[in-house]
Amino acid sequence: GIQVEQSPPDLILQEGANSTLRCNFSDSVNNLQWFHQNPWGQLINLFYIPSGTKQNGRLSATTVATERYSLLYISSSQTTDSGVYFCAVVRSGSEKLVFGKGTKLTVNP
Amino acid sequence: DTEVTQTPKHLVMGMTNKKSLKCEQHMGHRAMYWYKQKAKKPPELMFVYSYEKLSINESVPSRFSPECPNSSLLNLHLHALQPEDSALYLCASSQDLNYYEQYFGPGTRLTVT
Repeated sequence: GIQVEQSPPDLILQEGANSTLRCNFSDSVNNLQWFHQNPWGQLINLFYIPSGTKQNGRLSATTVATERYSLLYISSSQTTDSGVYFCAVVRSGSEKLVFGKGTKLTVNP
Repeated sequence: DTEVTQTPKHLVMGMTNKKSLKCEQHMGHRAMYWYKQKAKKPPELMFVYSYEKLSINESVPSRFSPECPNSSLLNLHLHALQPEDSALYLCASSQDLNYYEQYFGPGTRLTVT
């Protein structure tokens, strides 16, 4: 099956700092999503981005499908950004959304 | 509206009980999914329904029985579970398979005693 690797596994920031999270995948994909899982377990959709660049407020994402990676940028981080960020992909020809292991982000005040 | 609802939020059940988890969406989506998430792990796919028919069963034990009574509803029937089945159960939906964004419900946190 497809491999999805996220880095770093853990990240601790001070409020106001910027960060970049990375997702590498081992095969071509039809679908790539970034999620934020809050402490209550809710998976919040951040981006649907199988290719290209998107921005939403302080967050932006870029997927370079030909090089099989995606980046999530968080600027001016806030304590409410804390949680686990997951990258998930659907390999071309598959119907399964496969998650990476996640990046646990802690933003301290 | 991109809302998927799940009930109950929490469930505690004994190993001899029978219970059901419910999931509902009103976005007109034709694909619905069940995932299982253990603590500190990513969600793992269990079942996929497409147009109310079971499309994928990820070799899930028969003590988990999915049902899709109509295009808006998805149930997961539980029977004779084991303590290791304790987990967060997440439901999701998408417009169709493959190319479409999945939206997740808030989950049911299940404890098997």
